[in-house]
Amino acid sequence: DGGITQSPKYLFRKEGQNVTLSCEQNLNHDAMYWYRQDPGQGLRLIYYSQIVNDFQKGDIAEGYSVSREKKESFPLTVTSAQKNPTAFYLCASTTRVLDQPQHFGDGTRLSIL
Amino acid sequence: KQEVTQIPAALSVPEGENLVLNCSFTDSAIYNLQWFRQDPGKGLTSLLLIQSSQREQTSGRLNASLDKSSGRSTLYIAASQPGDSATYLCAVMDYGGATNKLIFGTGTLLAVQP
Repeated sequence: DGGITQSPKYLFRKEGQNVTLSCEQNLNHDAMYWYRQDPGQGLRLIYYSQIVNDFQKGDIAEGYSVSREKKESFPLTVTSAQKNPTAFYLCASTTRVLDQPQHFGDGTRLSIL
Repeated sequence: KQEVTQIPAALSVPEGENLVLNCSFTDSAIYNLQWFRQDPGKGLTSLLLIQSSQREQTSGRLNASLDKSSGRSTLYIAASQPGDSATYLCAVMDYGGATNKLIFGTGTLLAVQP
């Protein structure tokens, strides 16, 4: 079945540590997105990529980094510069046709140790 | 800057009742509006997508309407069931959004009581 796989489901970060969240899709989608969701809030865009080897900052990119070396993969690194990383992180993908909905993975919940 | 608001934040109804969820946005220059469902601890599932040129979309017991001039959309759920319990989010894609960026509301938490 086609879909988006996020791993791990739960992740714990120590002080000063960088952690990487995985996002893989087999939908042959060009565009991929990372969102952050805090309790009682909507989704906020961290980074997005429209094509391999290209990505742009979203609304809350500080303290995060991404890469897009393969069409199927869009990993997100939460760096030590992100002082409040505890949140639910969601990855999404879609075609570059504007009338198609975004497809989401099941998320990674990141907590501080 | 586009802002999306959803009212109410939470709603509890008895099974079988018809209900309406509301979404409003501040800038009417949108490309489309999308409704999603989110179950606890899960990702989002797309329910309906309404293009800016459309007035409504239907899927089964769900009907979404769009009034761009007033900056409003509603999601109508007919004959609600306990399985409909979830958080419902709306999101808009701004016009000129060649990047498919979505701006989300904060969601409505729906509980359907058996």
